[in-house]
Amino acid sequence: QVQLQESGPGLVKPSETLSLTCSVSGGSIRTSSWSWIRQPPGKGLEWIGYLHYSGNTNYISSLKSRVTISVDTSSNQFSLKLSSVTAADTAVYYCARVSGGRKYFYYYMDVWGRGTTVTVSS
Amino acid sequence: DIQMTQSPSSLSASVGDRVTITCQASQDISNYLNWYQQKPGKAPKLLIFDASNLQTGVPSRFSGSGSGTDFTFTISSLQPEDIATYYCQQYDDLPPSFFFFGQGTRLELK
Repeated sequence: QVQLQESGPGLVKPSETLSLTCSVSGGSIRTSSWSWIRQPPGKGLEWIGYLHYSGNTNYISSLKSRVTISVDTSSNQFSLKLSSVTAADTAVYYCARVSGGRKYFYYYMDVWGRGTTVTVSS
Repeated sequence: DIQMTQSPSSLSASVGDRVTITCQASQDISNYLNWYQQKPGKAPKLLIFDASNLQTGVPSRFSGSGSGTDFTFTISSLQPEDIATYYCQQYDDLPPSFFFFGQGTRLELK
């Protein structure tokens, strides 16, 4: 059973880079696609981007210039980097597995981490 | 980008009630629509994928329907443990280049 765990600093200063890691256990990171989603306090879910199992990455257009999602297959982890953060980037950040594709004509996020709170403040 | 409108934003219902939430896409997205449940302080949980397919282990009182631009999520008989916020999620293609969550529907007990 695949499980995900986010880790990283809970406090980031404005203009700095937010860096988070998602550790995958119970399965290989090579066989699935992986995504980051965030939720500002009291607000809804916002998809940030994802890494398709083909190696391609896609990001939400509003963050595309600041975000990078990458994978480290040797440690079975994937990561999120968001540069030049502001208070608007304060949120709970979730990592999730994106299942589907190959012989299936659908995609969905079926395994989620518990989330990690990141506050942007000086 | 494709726009998604989820309604209502909040809903009050009694135990045993039939509850319906809708999502409307700004253009045809085929069946590329999922539904999630989120309880306070918890990660979202997948309930319905591909518009109408029930995720394994999810109670059968949850269902989804629709195709193209108009989608519906239904709880046939509301239970106390169903109190949560529900989100639709669309994507644009196979494979997706874009995912988008609806604004969410907060479901409360009357």
